[in-house]
Amino acid sequence: GENVEQHPSTLSVQEGDSAVIKCTYSDSASNYFPWYKQELGKRPQLIIDIRSNVGEKKDQRIAVTLNKTAKHFSLHITETQPEDSAVYFCAASRWNDYKLSFGAGTTVTVRA
Amino acid sequence: GAGVSQSPSNKVTEKGKDVELRCDPISGHTALYWYRQSLGQGLEFLIYFQGNSAPDKSGLPSDRFSAERTGGSVSTLTIQRTQQEDSAVYLCASSLETGNTEAFFGQGTRLTVV
Repeated sequence: GENVEQHPSTLSVQEGDSAVIKCTYSDSASNYFPWYKQELGKRPQLIIDIRSNVGEKKDQRIAVTLNKTAKHFSLHITETQPEDSAVYFCAASRWNDYKLSFGAGTTVTVRA
Repeated sequence: GAGVSQSPSNKVTEKGKDVELRCDPISGHTALYWYRQSLGQGLEFLIYFQGNSAPDKSGLPSDRFSAERTGGSVSTLTIQRTQQEDSAVYLCASSLETGNTEAFFGQGTRLTVV
């Protein structure tokens, strides 16, 4: 089955700096890569996703890049703010069964 | 309802007892997932239902765990003879069948086995 690895496990950044989280996946048939944000005590919520037919996607301060050849994808948060502090999970799923496999998560702390 | 609903929100049970956790997915969502999240940990896949296909049970940690989905809607996760290591938040999520789309999570059931 799919194996998704996520790094780093924790990330502390100064407010205003950028944060980058990287994930690798094992199944070359995976074609959908969402990112979820989980604030303390709350449910995970989708913040951005990318499909394998594109290499990059942006939404305001958040961007995701995908390298299908190397089987890795990354989340980039620019101009970080205190409300960006949360746990971020990457995930991957195949084109034909949609089962979501999650990475272990990255705890992001934005220092004021 | 507007979102994925799970009940109960909290459950405290004695070691050795059986528990049932319920998930009401978003209407029209044919894909349903169960995940387990231990304190400060990631999302551990348990089981996945997709339409009328046989469920993917590959993540169930032992034969004490089972799940069913009746009528393609409500799902129940059952844990028999609970152990202390079963203590965790159990999250349910649902999504549309038509292609890879957003999975919407419920608020979870926090299970504590004492």
